Amino acid sequence: DAKTTQPPSMDCAEGRAANLPCNHSTISGNEYVYWYRQIHSQGPQYIIHGLKNNETNEMASLIITEDRKSSTLILPHATLRDTAVYYCIVRVYNQGGKLIFGQGTELSVKP
Amino acid sequence: SAVISQKPSRDICQRGTSLTIQCQVDSQVTMMFWYRQQPGQSLTLIATANQGSEATYESGFVIDKFPISRPNLTFSTLTVSNMSPEDSSIYLCSLMTSGRSDEQFFGPGTRLTVL
Repeated sequence: DAKTTQPPSMDCAEGRAANLPCNHSTISGNEYVYWYRQIHSQGPQYIIHGLKNNETNEMASLIITEDRKSSTLILPHATLRDTAVYYCIVRVYNQGGKLIFGQGTELSVKP
Repeated sequence: SAVISQKPSRDICQRGTSLTIQCQVDSQVTMMFWYRQQPGQSLTLIATANQGSEATYESGFVIDKFPISRPNLTFSTLTVSNMSPEDSSIYLCSLMTSGRSDEQFFGPGTRLTVL
């Protein structure tokens, strides 16, 4: 599986957009970009995934560069409850591809 | 989304003993996994639990230490054998359902402390 690189920590003011970057320069053509988050003492939670087009759901937006070597997860209006560790993962879709976690980004949303 | 329960939610065990963790799901599951999360660390995949056959272990994990069973589509167990303090971790069950192959769900985890 391709590896990802994320900043270890970030701060964001409550109500502002949180932009979490991820580098995946060795991503393969059939690998998707997935984002999960883990709120303290809970199991990871799926956020969003995409292949090459930008994606949006009720939780976040995912922006993938044209060369697919990096992406950004956007939380449009961060709240204190968004404080968590965010993991960017690449894997093959719909083939039982294993989720291999990196170190993630610890996002702190501050009042 | 799938509802996943794990038992026990936490336990404190003595060195040299074994603990079996159960994972029960309320819906049809295509794949089940077991992860470990050591204190302050990210998640590490232990193995894929295969129904009716031996689990598939990741590098660094062996069946003698972490025997896994999956007798049916909705239930699996992970045993942590001959425990040492280094086994103190959160153990998480994870799965993919037949209806949502793009999303992997995680259980609440079992917090294990070995003295």
